[in-house]
Amino acid sequence: GQQVMQIPQYQHVQEGEDFTTYCNSSTTLSNIQWYKQRPGGHPVFLIQLVKSGEVKKQKRLTFQFGEAKKNSSLHITATQTTDVGTYFCAGPKGNQFYFGTGTSLTVIP
Amino acid sequence: DGGITQSPKYLFRKEGQNVTLSCEQNLNHDAMYWYRQDPGQGLRLIYYSQIVNDFQKGDIAEGYSVSREKKESFPLTVTSAQKNPTAFYLCASSFRTGTNTEAFFGQGTRLTVV
Repeated sequence: GQQVMQIPQYQHVQEGEDFTTYCNSSTTLSNIQWYKQRPGGHPVFLIQLVKSGEVKKQKRLTFQFGEAKKNSSLHITATQTTDVGTYFCAGPKGNQFYFGTGTSLTVIP
Repeated sequence: DGGITQSPKYLFRKEGQNVTLSCEQNLNHDAMYWYRQDPGQGLRLIYYSQIVNDFQKGDIAEGYSVSREKKESFPLTVTSAQKNPTAFYLCASSFRTGTNTEAFFGQGTRLTVV
C-alpha cells in the first residue's frame, strides 16, 4: 500500500495567508517530487528534491527535503487565488512512484 | 506538440460492460502508468509498464487489464469484474520508472458506470 502520507488533507486560507503541506514517508526516499492538480485538471510536475536537507524556491513556493530524507514540505507565502488546487508529493518505491494523499488548498478571496 | 493524450475525456458505460480507455504519448518515454483517482483521494496505481510488451500490477489491479504492444500506447480496459469502476482515470508517462524522472500526465478520463 501507500507509504507516503500527507497532512493536512484540506486547508482553507484567506488570500494573503501562508500555507504549508507536509509529506512523511516510513522509509528513506532517494528523492521526492511535488505536483499540483488544479480543480478538474491533471497533476503537473512542480519540482524534485534529491539531496538531504535540500531547499528549493519557485517564486512564493518553498520546497524542503528533510535531513533524514523521510519527510518534505511545501510552503506557499502569501497565497493567491491562483494557488487553488491539490498538492501531491510523490516518492519512489522500486520501479513505481507512490503519491501522497494530497492536500486540497482553498483560497478565500 | 509533444505530450500525452487520453481519450475520451468523459465516458459513460452500462454496468457489466467492459470499456477501454486510450492513452497515447509521443514523448518517447519508456515508462507508462495508469492511476485511479476518487473524490478527495490521492492517486492509486493500477498498472505500470517499463518497456514494450511488459507491465506490472500496481496496488489496485483487480478488475483491470492493460497491454503495451507499442511504446506510444498503453490502453487500460476496465472489466465487468471491477466492482466500483466510476472514477477519474489518469495516464502518465516518464523517461524511466522510479527515480529521478518526472511524470507527465494526460488530461484524464472520467468514467461513469450507470
